[in-house]
Amino acid sequence: DAGVIQSPRHEVTEMGQEVTLRCKPISGHNSLFWYRQTMMRGLELLIYFNNNVPIDDSGMPEDRFSAKMPNASFSTLKIQPSEPRDSAVYFCASSSRVWGGWVDTQYFGPGTRLTVL
Amino acid sequence: RKEVEQDPGPFNVPEGATVAFNCTYSNSASQSFFWYRQDCRKEPKLLMSVYSSGNEDGRFTAQLNRASQYISLLIRDSKLSDSATYLCVVGSMEYGNKLVFGAGTILRVKS
Repeated sequence: DAGVIQSPRHEVTEMGQEVTLRCKPISGHNSLFWYRQTMMRGLELLIYFNNNVPIDDSGMPEDRFSAKMPNASFSTLKIQPSEPRDSAVYFCASSSRVWGGWVDTQYFGPGTRLTVL
Repeated sequence: RKEVEQDPGPFNVPEGATVAFNCTYSNSASQSFFWYRQDCRKEPKLLMSVYSSGNEDGRFTAQLNRASQYISLLIRDSKLSDSATYLCVVGSMEYGNKLVFGAGTILRVKS
């Protein structure tokens, strides 16, 4: 089975430009998560969706960040305008729904390495 | 207090050594526990789930102590390829489907 797919794998852009990151979760998973990882701050949860509905976006840094999940097989994370401090690795992960108190493991995509000049 | 705390290390050990990591969590209602492994410039990957009775997978043994709210990972006969960052991860129905990741413990196995 295909794992979580992310594109692009690398993105280099200039400050002020719009950046769109894409994610395809594992088929059948109904939860999708966007994370950001930097050396300074570690792995941070930005937002997550259950059944395509945003549940918790408290980790989204500011209004420049937005995320959508138009259907069960696709999600985007957009940064507009981008700034150098947004440089990080952005991971998408997916998991199954919660059953009887057990929160299922998350499966991560390979990440998008974003550099904003 | 962080929800999941780990010693950042690094733990520098020779090949063949046994090494143990501990992790503490603050939410007593937590129900799901995992160890993930992350190699340099790669995504986190599930190493093993942690069950109440403890579990073993080859050279890796995970234990859960609910009373003290800590999780442990024991690696026996360390290999060079075990060098990575090990992330302690906790889930709870209170978090919905979220998992809380520790900052990770760095392991370096040297020949």
